[in-house]
Amino acid sequence: GDSVTQMEGPVTLSEEAFLTINCTYTATGYPSLFWYVQYPGEGLQLLLKATKADDKGSNKGFEATYRKETTSFHLEKGSVQVSDSAVYFCALSRGLTSYDKVIFGPGTSLSVIP
Amino acid sequence: DAEITQSPRHKITETGRQVTLACHQTWNHNNMFWYRQDLGHGLRLIHYSYGVQDTNKGEVSDGYSVSRSNTEDLPLTLESAASSQTSVYFCASSERIARDTDTQYFGPGTRLTVL
Repeated sequence: GDSVTQMEGPVTLSEEAFLTINCTYTATGYPSLFWYVQYPGEGLQLLLKATKADDKGSNKGFEATYRKETTSFHLEKGSVQVSDSAVYFCALSRGLTSYDKVIFGPGTSLSVIP
Repeated sequence: DAEITQSPRHKITETGRQVTLACHQTWNHNNMFWYRQDLGHGLRLIHYSYGVQDTNKGEVSDGYSVSRSNTEDLPLTLESAASSQTSVYFCASSERIARDTDTQYFGPGTRLTVL
């Protein structure tokens, strides 16, 4: 079945460090790919998404590129801030018959220290 | 502004009791979802609905039920609460227009403890 794998962390970085959170997926067809972020005590919110191969999603300085050849959607940010401390979820939504359902990875906890 | 709300935000109950968690959205979305979030498991889908009178089981539906009598609400009922159902529960909604617009909008969550 479809699945999403991501590094679970926790990841601890100093402010202004470079961030990479790896995400790989298994799915039939051509899924849409997402990164959601969950700040402490809150629900998830969409960070960025990409709907086809080679698309790059970007938001708030975060970027991820849909790589079909490596089935990956790694999240990157050039310079993290303390306010980026959160849990990040990679997710996919696949197919025309089930596009309304989303499969989430386990989440990666990020802590950014001053 | 449109939003999705959940109540209560925190609930403590005893084993065997029936519990209902409320979810209300003002996005006018057709699709609504219930997830549970547990350490090491990420989010797991409990039930979902594509519209009024439509409900479907997710991957961890045993012991839970939902009903959809209107567009705005999808209450989640635990028929007989068990300690294994201690978790954080999230409700979400999305608009069913096209494949590219399947972003989900999440509520703030309900932390349920079953003693």
